[in-house]
Amino acid sequence: EEQLVESGGGFVQPGGSLRLSCRVSGFTFDTYWMSWVRQAPGKGLEWVANINQEGKDRYYVASVKGRFTISRDNTKNSLYLQMDSLRAEDTAVYYCARDRGSFVWGNYHYYGVDVWGQGTTVIVAS
Amino acid sequence: DIVMTQSPDSLAVSLGERATINCKSSRSLLYSSNYKNYLTWYQQKPGQPPKLLIYWASTRESGVPDRFSGSGSGTDFTLSIRNLQAEDVAVYYCQQSYSPPYSFGRGTKLEIK
Repeated sequence: EEQLVESGGGFVQPGGSLRLSCRVSGFTFDTYWMSWVRQAPGKGLEWVANINQEGKDRYYVASVKGRFTISRDNTKNSLYLQMDSLRAEDTAVYYCARDRGSFVWGNYHYYGVDVWGQGTTVIVAS
Repeated sequence: DIVMTQSPDSLAVSLGERATINCKSSRSLLYSSNYKNYLTWYQQKPGQPPKLLIYWASTRESGVPDRFSGSGSGTDFTLSIRNLQAEDVAVYYCQQSYSPPYSFGRGTKLEIK
């Protein structure tokens, strides 16, 4: 069974840092792009970032660019999100997610997320 | 960045009837190289992560009942749920999968009338 288990969430003051981790099992981790998606309390979904299989290609939503860093360790079947300079508006449940995609004429095409973790909660407040 | 606009924000439909949710993108999601529309639909029930329902605007994910169907092309898309069941109560999101950042719509809350 495919499983994504997040950890590392918690309470942090504005300007602080947190590192989220996602441990993966049940599929071949290093053959998939992976993402982080977040959901603020009572709000909708926001795609945050994704990373390719080798960890070389990364994309971010504008609101976190320069503050968050997505990374992975394929030897540990793990995905990470380093979050620095945290703001109150970063308060959310953060989901680790497996991307569904394929290569079309040599270019990666993303179709969506087909496997989700249960999420880890980050609260940024003073 | 592509902006996704969903409507309505909420919807109440009687059991057995049809629910229709709309999604509009700020630019075309049609990929010229393969003529596919990069629009994805998800269902999120309370306390759960989202579930992938439909990708490429109209391709149902494996295991999704055929009561769920997606349509549309370019910038205008629709999720239809026929013969509404009680277990369909959820929030439904569209997402553009055309280019990063892969933005979502604000969601449509579906309830039973």
